[in-house]
Amino acid sequence: DTAVSQTPKYLVTQMGNDKSIKCEQNLGHDTMYWYKQDSKKFLKIMFSYNNKELIINETVPNRFSPKSPDKAHLNLHINSLELGDSAVYFCASSPGYSGNTIYFGEGSWLTVV
Amino acid sequence: QQQVKQSPQSLIVQKGGISIINCAYENTAFDYFPWYQQFPGKGPALLIAIRPDVSEKKEGRFTISFNKSAKQFSLHIMDSQPGDSATYFCAAPGTSGTYKYIFGTGTRLKVLA
Repeated sequence: DTAVSQTPKYLVTQMGNDKSIKCEQNLGHDTMYWYKQDSKKFLKIMFSYNNKELIINETVPNRFSPKSPDKAHLNLHINSLELGDSAVYFCASSPGYSGNTIYFGEGSWLTVV
Repeated sequence: QQQVKQSPQSLIVQKGGISIINCAYENTAFDYFPWYQQFPGKGPALLIAIRPDVSEKKEGRFTISFNKSAKQFSLHIMDSQPGDSATYFCAAPGTSGTYKYIFGTGTRLKVLA
């Protein structure tokens, strides 16, 4: 049983398109995240939700919009994709607010051409 | 911008040797200090974490050493094995109340057979 699952795993799309990545966790955690990992492997937090409430919103272009329909799901919608958006996007969850124990999904590899 | 400085960027160790990765943080928040292990094509996975009120934690071949006054902690991998070849990330709590962890820049470890 996959604890944090995200789809799609691979996504190749053209500049200007809109795309979504879906995420679900079956760990019963209250907090979910989106992280971006660039080509140099740097991991940066983008958003965090606790019980469907947005608690972290980093400096991310507003083309990126998260949505949490319930505490087990956190989706990421990206409008007007740009070349620089190419990266691996990780969904993650943790039991509590602090994020000291984070469980990551396998990643969604986004390539914008 | 808060930073977590991790070194070295890459590390090559012979099988059976000791791998040491260091991390320095800025904040003074009181919370766990974790290390994550990431294999190619996978998401980071929690490896080991330490509370700041202890100076060392050992789990099998993996040990965290923590120096609170210096704001540094390190990961030691004893008897390194080729299967330990991965990218390792430390993480430290951000500013108190921000509910986020900041990841180090990562260390690519290669253990030669």
